[in-house]
Amino acid sequence: AQSVTQLGSHVSVSEGALVLLRCNYSSSVPPYLFWYVQYPNQGLQLLLKYTSAATLVKGINGFEAEFKKSETSFHLTKPSAHMSDAAEYFCAVSVNEYENKLVFGAGTILRVKS
Amino acid sequence: DTGVSQDPRHKITKRGQNVTFRCDPISEHNRLYWYRQTLGQGPEFLTYFQNEAQLEKSRLLSDRFSAERPKGSFSTLEIQRTEQGDSAMYLCASTTGVGSYNEQFFGPGTRLTVL
Repeated sequence: AQSVTQLGSHVSVSEGALVLLRCNYSSSVPPYLFWYVQYPNQGLQLLLKYTSAATLVKGINGFEAEFKKSETSFHLTKPSAHMSDAAEYFCAVSVNEYENKLVFGAGTILRVKS
Repeated sequence: DTGVSQDPRHKITKRGQNVTFRCDPISEHNRLYWYRQTLGQGPEFLTYFQNEAQLEKSRLLSDRFSAERPKGSFSTLEIQRTEQGDSAMYLCASTTGVGSYNEQFFGPGTRLTVL
């Protein structure tokens, strides 16, 4: 069965610092991977997705993620944190293109300090 | 295109009561998914529809849960005889067609509290 582990339920960074949110997946077949962001009282919004093309994926709001098969990881990074990045971030995996059901990690709450 | 909408946004009910939630997907999205999100956890898949056909139900969806999408447009999720363990955020998502891992667009969710 597919699963996703997000290391660190809470991450705190200073404004302008590097953001690194960790995601490791478990899948018996080549996965398709996603990062979603959830702001308070809002639905999940797609940040970026990996679909077996380039291993370095660029998303919205300056975020990017790198797929590393050898490490079964898909960590999310942003060079410089902004106050508006404070939100909860979810990594998700889908291994069936037809069903496209998403299996989510538990989420990481990002706090940005001024 | 106003996005995925869900109604109500909040529902407080007493144990044993029935509740029904509605999801209006983005128009012309033929795929609709329901997820449940409990505190401190990521969303968990419940069920999904291709047009009006319900194609899969998760083991999380007990017999007290039923979902419909009668005309392939909006969907309803009903919970009968609610239990305190049903308290969660219920999320709806829609997408176009199949394949290519099309982006799922999520609604704001319905937060259910069972007293």
